[in-house]
Amino acid sequence: EAGVAQSPRYKIIEKRQSVAFWCNPISGHATLYWYQQILGQGPKLLIQFQNNGVVDDSQLPKDRFSAERLKGVDSTLKIQPAKLEDSAVYLCASSFTSSGANVLTFGAGSRLTVL
Amino acid sequence: TQLLEQSPQFLSIQEGENLTVYCNSSSVFSSLQWYRQEPGEGPVLLVTVVTGGEVKKLKRLTFQFGDARKDSSLHITAAQPGDTGLYLCAGVGAGNQFYFGTGTSLTVIP
Repeated sequence: EAGVAQSPRYKIIEKRQSVAFWCNPISGHATLYWYQQILGQGPKLLIQFQNNGVVDDSQLPKDRFSAERLKGVDSTLKIQPAKLEDSAVYLCASSFTSSGANVLTFGAGSRLTVL
Repeated sequence: TQLLEQSPQFLSIQEGENLTVYCNSSSVFSSLQWYRQEPGEGPVLLVTVVTGGEVKKLKRLTFQFGDARKDSSLHITAAQPGDTGLYLCAGVGAGNQFYFGTGTSLTVIP
């Protein structure tokens, strides 16, 4: 089966500019996650969707970050305006249940550099 | 806020050596997972442990879930260069939320 698709793979912008990332999860996976990963650290959850509804966005900096999942399939994550500390890899993942346990499948990520 | 602390943060060993990575939390999770991530890729699931005290083996990797379901360990026997990567533990919450640990970067030198 096709994996989680993300684009773009790399993006370089200047601070105060805006950027958008796109994610297409595995077909049939109802739950979609966006994570922020600083180099060498563990991923930090930004937002979790169940179909097209938000389950958890408690760690999303809502003054500059927004995310949507229209129609419960694809999702976009937007940052406006970007700050230097937003430089990170943005990982999208979707999940399914296997033998009673939930399993995350990640995309390759979108690496953002803010100058 | 990171709910799971991993140690050590960095580990560089010679091929053939053994190692153990620890994942500790003050929270109880319904299950705990271990992932490995290679540069430029997303994390890939290695194992899920569900029952307190559970031990799972995956070839040279042994995973253990603490009795209280708050901590876990990963032991690698006779490490190989292919084991190099970032190892992440993840606690699974009641709402299918996945909380990742701080990560352990392993380098195995040939």
